Amino acid sequence: DTEVTQTPKHLVMGMTNKKSLKCEQHMGHRAMYWYKQKAKKPPELMFVYSYEKLSINESVPSRFSPECPNSSLLNLHLHALQPEDSALYLCASSFGTGIQPQHFGDGTRLSIL
Amino acid sequence: DQQVKQNSPSLRVQEGRISILNCDYTNSMFDYFLWYKKYPAEGPTFLISISSIKDKNEDGRFTVFLNKSAKHLSLHIVPSQPGDSAVYFCAASAPQGGKLIFGQGTELSVKP
Repeated sequence: DTEVTQTPKHLVMGMTNKKSLKCEQHMGHRAMYWYKQKAKKPPELMFVYSYEKLSINESVPSRFSPECPNSSLLNLHLHALQPEDSALYLCASSFGTGIQPQHFGDGTRLSIL
Repeated sequence: DQQVKQNSPSLRVQEGRISILNCDYTNSMFDYFLWYKKYPAEGPTFLISISSIKDKNEDGRFTVFLNKSAKHLSLHIVPSQPGDSAVYFCAASAPQGGKLIFGQGTELSVKP
């Protein structure tokens, strides 16, 4: 059982839609992350939030907009996505951004039509 | 430029034997290394980690070895069990920031 919960598990959207991915953890972690994973590839970091502030943006296109409303929640707002954005989106959390393991949710499988 | 490499895409091992998964890295600034296991349709599950001040860390059937001079780490699973069959990723991070860089993964298959 994962302690990082992601919703929805699957999402299909058109290129003009606006949708949001949600992530929640109740482990008291103060760092949260978004990763993108394409088929047969490793996860790639998109964003890091530390103490609810954005600390790393890996040059992600503005059609992806992260938000951290509080220390337990992390959202990823999606707008005007492209077919190549279809992937598994993984959320992770850790106590801090130093020598701490990151714990992952099961991801949202996103398909762009 | 791949900073973390797992050169074996797959590994087949007999149940009860040792599984050895290997990982090489190029960035000498990396100071923390982790192994994750991933089943299909699930997120990566943290297995074991090691900081650069150590050369070995053990947790039950899992042991990670770090050779800093060779920029190489390995994961040993003893004894291997069919439930260990999964994709294993090694990952590394540099001081501060929290960015994990993953290898390409090795698919382990443990046969009865």
